Amino acid sequence: GAVVSQHPSWVICKSGTSVKIECRSLDFQATTMFWYRQFPKQSLMLMATSNEGSKATYEQGVEKDKFLINHASLTLSTLTVTSAHPEDSSFYICSAVRSGGADTQYFGPGTRLTVL
Amino acid sequence: DAKTTQPPSMDCAEGRAANLPCNHSTISGNEYVYWYRQIHSQGPQYIIHGLKNNETNEMASLIITEDRKSSTLILPHATLRDTAVYYCIVRVAQGAQKLVFGQGTRLTINP
Repeated sequence: GAVVSQHPSWVICKSGTSVKIECRSLDFQATTMFWYRQFPKQSLMLMATSNEGSKATYEQGVEKDKFLINHASLTLSTLTVTSAHPEDSSFYICSAVRSGGADTQYFGPGTRLTVL
Repeated sequence: DAKTTQPPSMDCAEGRAANLPCNHSTISGNEYVYWYRQIHSQGPQYIIHGLKNNETNEMASLIITEDRKSSTLILPHATLRDTAVYYCIVRVAQGAQKLVFGQGTRLTINP
């Protein structure tokens, strides 16, 4: 159990376009999901906390109007990178919290975004 | 959340036990120790967590010192597929708390 999927696994887009990344918890419900970003040879950096039915909470320095997060159901959160630029090229990873017990976070496989 | 310190890299021979240390000297009484690992170009994988007692599951064992200021993750029989970056993270367990990732330990299993 505790499987999290992401779609797409990789995407290449032109500068100025928008890209949507989906994060799904497949076998459990997740009130809370997190979005992370990882640049080459660096560790994961939290971007935002996504709560079902409410607005996301963004970390300092992350533009909420550029990285739109929607958590419309207990199994799906989406991250939309708007007006993408080459510097947005990164590995985007989501996690979902399995409620109850130790509230362990389970991670998706990641989405590699390349902006040309 | 308390800060953790891990060696940047370690090597281990295939088939031997891999012992990964982590220091968390400022850990609070209500904070758990979590271990995740990240294989290249994949999302992090949950391994194990504990509060003060030693824990074991099908993947690894977690040994926490009595004063809780340090811990060791043990992979009993390392395989080449265990080559990854291992992250030790301290956080409060209750509620959906964010994880703060440090640089972790890059473990290389050698044939």
